[in-house]
Parts: sequence; C-alpha cells; structure tokens
Amino acid sequence: AQSVTQLDSQVPVFEEAPVELRCNYSSSVSVYLFWYVQYPNQGLQLLLKYLSGSTLVKGINGFEAEFNKSQTSFHLRKPSVHISDTAEYFCAVSDRNTGNQFYFGTGTSLTVIP
Amino acid sequence: NAGVTQTPKFQVLKTGQSMTLQCAQDMNHEYMSWYRQDPGMGLRLIHYSVGAGITDQGEVPNGYNVSRSTTEDFPLRLLSAAPSQTSVYFCASRGPGQAFSYEQYFGPGTRLTVT
Repeated sequence: AQSVTQLDSQVPVFEEAPVELRCNYSSSVSVYLFWYVQYPNQGLQLLLKYLSGSTLVKGINGFEAEFNKSQTSFHLRKPSVHISDTAEYFCAVSDRNTGNQFYFGTGTSLTVIP
Repeated sequence: NAGVTQTPKFQVLKTGQSMTLQCAQDMNHEYMSWYRQDPGMGLRLIHYSVGAGITDQGEVPNGYNVSRSTTEDFPLRLLSAAPSQTSVYFCASRGPGQAFSYEQYFGPGTRLTVT
C-alpha cells in the first residue's frame, strides 16, 4: 500500500506571497497523483491531477504542481496567494495498476494572512 | 447532474443507536467509497465498492457495514454507534461510467456526533 506524507500540517503565508505545499509518496510504482482543496465546512474539490506526460501540471485558481519521479514528490505551488486560498489541501495517490484505492495525506492547512 | 449527494448533512446519535448514511451518484460510476475525516488524520477509507454487489473493506472498517444493490447508491450503516465514530463522513465516486474519471468526486459530507 502507498503512504502519502504532507510534511507541513500548517502553513501561514502573507497575501500575495508565494507558497509551496509539499507532498511525498512512498512507492516508486507508476502512480496517478492528485491535489484536492477543502474549504471550511465543504467537501473536497479537485485542484489538479497528474496522469502522464508533462511533469508540470496546472490546475484551477492559479495552482500548479510538479511531479518528480526520482524524489517521489508532487509539490503544489502558487506564485501569489489570495485570502480566498485559505483552506485545507490534500495530496492523494492512486496506483496505476489497480486504480481503485486512493491514499490521502493528512492535509496541510493553508492560512493566508492579510 | 447532481454529482454525489449525501444525506443527512448533520446527525446526532446516542451511544448504541444505529443509523444509515445515504450516498447516491448520478454519473453511473462503478467505483464508490466511504471515508471518515478526523482532525490531523486526513481521510481514511472505511469501505469501497467496485460495482453493484461487490464491496470490500478499507483501512478502518470496524463498526460499519455497506452494501451495493444498485450502481447509484452506496449506503453506510452504523450498527451500534460509539463516541469514537464521531467524525465527518464523505462519500466519493469515480469512473468508468457515464463520465470516466481518474479522480474521485466527493459528496458534501455528513457531520456525525455520537454522545
């Protein structure tokens, strides 16, 4: 089974500053990678996904992530955050071969400070 | 499409009571799953189903039952609620189906408190 590590449980950042949320996964087998966002008292919404091809993927709301196979990482970045980006962010991995089970990290709480 | 719907949104139970959390999806997805979300622990998989009539256990199945009689519905049953089951429960689905997807689509969640 995969394990997913989100190294930072809380990330405070000032408005308009850049941010990086880190995600590492355990296995080197072929995987699909996802970032989800959860706004307060809501369900999870897909931000972006890596299936194949270019290792830099762009998502909604100006977020992007880079797949690094050698480091088994999929870090999420945004060059300039807004107050509205305050939310919980989850990294998730699924195995290409089985595809059914998703493994989630424990989440990173991003707080944007005015 | 309504996507993934869950009812109820909130529920308070007394220890030992039973209840069913409802989940439905209208995308004809084959795969459906139930997660619980607890502070600092992310989402943990309770049960999942790869199609009607087929279910399997996830990471934390104890105290929960599921069945999948139709493609659309995947109810989660708590047979005898315990305070440790106080949590937010999310249902999710993914393709193949009417809208094939690699990613999972999530419902809005059910916030359950067991006293």
